[in-house]
Amino acid sequence: GIQVEQSPPDLILQEGANSTLRCNFSDSVNNLQWFHQNPWGQLINLFYIPSGTKQNGRLSATTVATERYSLLYISSSQTTDSGVYFCAVPFNDYKLSFGAGTTVTVRA
Amino acid sequence: ETGVTQSPTHLIKTRGQQVTLRCSSQSGHNTVSWYQQALGQGPQFIFQYYREEENGRGNFPPRFSGLQFPNYSSELNVNALELDDSALYLCASSSGGLPGRYFGPGTRLTVL
Repeated sequence: GIQVEQSPPDLILQEGANSTLRCNFSDSVNNLQWFHQNPWGQLINLFYIPSGTKQNGRLSATTVATERYSLLYISSSQTTDSGVYFCAVPFNDYKLSFGAGTTVTVRA
Repeated sequence: ETGVTQSPTHLIKTRGQQVTLRCSSQSGHNTVSWYQQALGQGPQFIFQYYREEENGRGNFPPRFSGLQFPNYSSELNVNALELDDSALYLCASSSGGLPGRYFGPGTRLTVL
């Protein structure tokens, strides 16, 4: 199956700081999703981004499909950004392969 | 709020018992996928239902089974529960047999 690696595994930020999360994948894909999992376990879809760059408020994402990686940028971080960030790519058309996640802690 | 609902929120069972988890898909979506997330790990694909048929399965034993109903809601059944089945179970809603995009809040299962 397709391998998905995320880095760093853990990130501690001071409120207001910027950060970059990375997702590498082992094979070509036709889409990629970024999710945020809050402390209660809810997975929220942040971006559906097969290629290029998208922005949503303080978050943006860039996928370079030809080089098999994607980046998630968090700017001016807030305590509500805390949680686990996952990237996921499709495998066999119908299932998602998730990375192990990056745990982000934003301190006030 | 994704419109995907799951029940129950929490569940405690003992080894050997059977459990049924439920998921209602987002309005207009005909595909439901189920994922198991062990503590500290990413979700793992269990199976997907599209138009009431299983159209994909991950590396899970046959004691994990499911159903999808005409209204596209779905059930996940697990027989002969084992301690390692303790996890957060997530369902995801989508259309056209595509990978899940909108996830429910999950059911946290504890097996004692």
